[in-house]
Amino acid sequence: SQQGEEDPQALSIQEGENATMNCSYKTSINNLQWYRQNSGRGLVHLILIRSNEREKHSGRLRVTLDTSKKSSSLLITASRAADTASYFCATAPKYSGGYQKVTFGIGTKLQVIP
Amino acid sequence: EAQVTQNPRYLITVTGKKLTVTCSQNMNHEYMSWYRQDPGLGLRQIYYSMNVEVTDKGDVPEGYKVSRKEKRNFPLILESPSPNQTSLYFCASSFQSSGAYNEQFFGPGTRLTVL
Repeated sequence: SQQGEEDPQALSIQEGENATMNCSYKTSINNLQWYRQNSGRGLVHLILIRSNEREKHSGRLRVTLDTSKKSSSLLITASRAADTASYFCATAPKYSGGYQKVTFGIGTKLQVIP
Repeated sequence: EAQVTQNPRYLITVTGKKLTVTCSQNMNHEYMSWYRQDPGLGLRQIYYSMNVEVTDKGDVPEGYKVSRKEKRNFPLILESPSPNQTSLYFCASSFQSSGAYNEQFFGPGTRLTVL
């Protein structure tokens, strides 16, 4: 499986419900980032969580990071139709000199039904 | 407004006809990168640049060239496009030249079709 692999690949919920997406990775990381992509458009950065952080909030978004399990989750509370999009996690490996490539997962496609 | 721009947004071309996709950012970012996005494969990095005149290969560099003569611009060149380069292309930029640790700002994408 790939570094930064999201689960599930697709999720369909009713407006007002919470949506949870997970990301697993393999190597030690410096940080993990979540991005949103509306259909066919550029990715938009949502939140960055560093390896020494366990939880971070931004509006209706809550991100957790468990470095022992090499996993992260993104929770969107009280979802809205406008949250319909694909969500990607991106991992930045632990710095060891030189350039460290950020790796994107395949993404979770979220559909919020009005 | 801080942004990354790409041109053209849509392009249909034929095999072997050289093309350039431009990318420009107005945020004075050191780091810039090109990705391609294909169904089921996510985003794959083509080339990146850590600063002016500093470029390197990503995961899928074959068939592509880049240059970084100015900090704001990072064009992607396809010398002899082939149908397997049909894809959605994104340019991105971020602060920090020691690695892409910070958030990346993405352009709107260029949908390329090679016949």
